[in-house]
Amino acid sequence: AQKITQTQPGMFVQEKEAVTLDCTYDTSDQSYGLFWYKQPSSGEMIFLIYQGSYDEQNATEGRYSLNFQKARKSANLVISASQLGDSAMYFCAQMGGSYIPTFGRGTSLIVHP
Amino acid sequence: DSGVTQTPKHLITATGQRVTLRCSPRSGDLSVYWYQQSLDQGLQFLIQYYNGEERAKGNILERFSAQQFPDLHSELNLSSLELGDSALYFCASSVGRIQETQYFGPGTRLLVL
Repeated sequence: AQKITQTQPGMFVQEKEAVTLDCTYDTSDQSYGLFWYKQPSSGEMIFLIYQGSYDEQNATEGRYSLNFQKARKSANLVISASQLGDSAMYFCAQMGGSYIPTFGRGTSLIVHP
Repeated sequence: DSGVTQTPKHLITATGQRVTLRCSPRSGDLSVYWYQQSLDQGLQFLIQYYNGEERAKGNILERFSAQQFPDLHSELNLSSLELGDSALYFCASSVGRIQETQYFGPGTRLLVL
């Protein structure tokens, strides 16, 4: 069975600093995708970034980058130059050959001015 | 705005009742996913439809059912409601290829009294 582990229930970061949110996954699939979503207090789920298991380069989308270490089965999200609006819950997710997506329990990020 | 619409936004009902949640996917998307998000269980995948057919099933209770119609909109039916069914229900859509990014709707907040 697939499993996503986000070990940091809460993280604090100073505005303009970088922060790394941890995610490890467990899958027996050879081909899979890894995703990060942001959920602000308003409740919507916002897609941030995607990494395919065969992608050799780490994915980047603006201030977001995904530190993908396949051998360690980790897919950490790095947010550079944090902004107050980055305060939210962040979810790591994985989907492989079964079409069943698996989400982690999330990390709450608070950005201090 | 993800392009995925869900109605209603909020729903308050009583135990034992039945409700229907509706989802319209993004234009061009063939796949619809349903999720339940509660404080104790996190984000749980319920079921996925692709072009009208069920493609994957997650932790969906027997009291819950879903379908996807020829125009690709989907409905999630929740019956014999219990207090524990109170949650945020999300619909997400994707084109339907494996490992593809899902785009989430704004969710329906269900409160069972």
